[in-house]
Amino acid sequence: GNSVTQMEGPVTLSEEAFLTINCTYTATGYPSLFWYVQYPGEGLQLLLKATKADDKGSNKGFEATYRKETTSFHLEKGSVQVSDSAVYFCALYNQGGKLIFGQGTELSVKP
Amino acid sequence: EPEVTQTPSHQVTQMGQEVILRCVPISNHLYFYWYRQILGQKVEFLVSFYNNEISEKSEIFDDQFSVERPDGSNFTLKIRSTKLEDSAMYFCASRGDRGGTDTQYFGPGTRLTVL
Repeated sequence: GNSVTQMEGPVTLSEEAFLTINCTYTATGYPSLFWYVQYPGEGLQLLLKATKADDKGSNKGFEATYRKETTSFHLEKGSVQVSDSAVYFCALYNQGGKLIFGQGTELSVKP
Repeated sequence: EPEVTQTPSHQVTQMGQEVILRCVPISNHLYFYWYRQILGQKVEFLVSFYNNEISEKSEIFDDQFSVERPDGSNFTLKIRSTKLEDSAMYFCASRGDRGGTDTQYFGPGTRLTVL
């Protein structure tokens, strides 16, 4: 079946550090891949997406590349800010209509 | 920018009581969803709704749950007789899908606490 696995958190970084949050997936066919972000006390916001192999999604300095050969969609940012502190969810959509989420990775950025 | 809205933001209820969670999806969207997130766990799919009927539901969505689109704007989730384990954050989402857009937009959630 379809599933998403993310690296466990919490991840604690200093401001301006490089961020990687790993995400791998299992799916039949060719899913679309997403990163959603949940800021404290808020709902889920779409951060970026990619719909086919080798696509790169980007937004607000975050990037993720759809790698079919490694079934991965790792989230990266070159220089994190305190305001990036949130929970990040990797998810896939595979024509079934529903999103399948990873378990979420909490990021805490210290000044 | 259009957004999904949900009310109430927090609902406290006694075990066995009925609750209705309300959502207003983005106005020209066609597909509607409910998800839930038990504290500290992953976001789980409950149900999808299209053309005034359920298109898919998870095993969580048993006979105690129902959904309705009573008018052109609201989308509701009803839990008939709440259990302690129904305590969670419930998210509504909507999707347009004219031309195959697969992005779901989420509301801010309703935190349900069952005592």
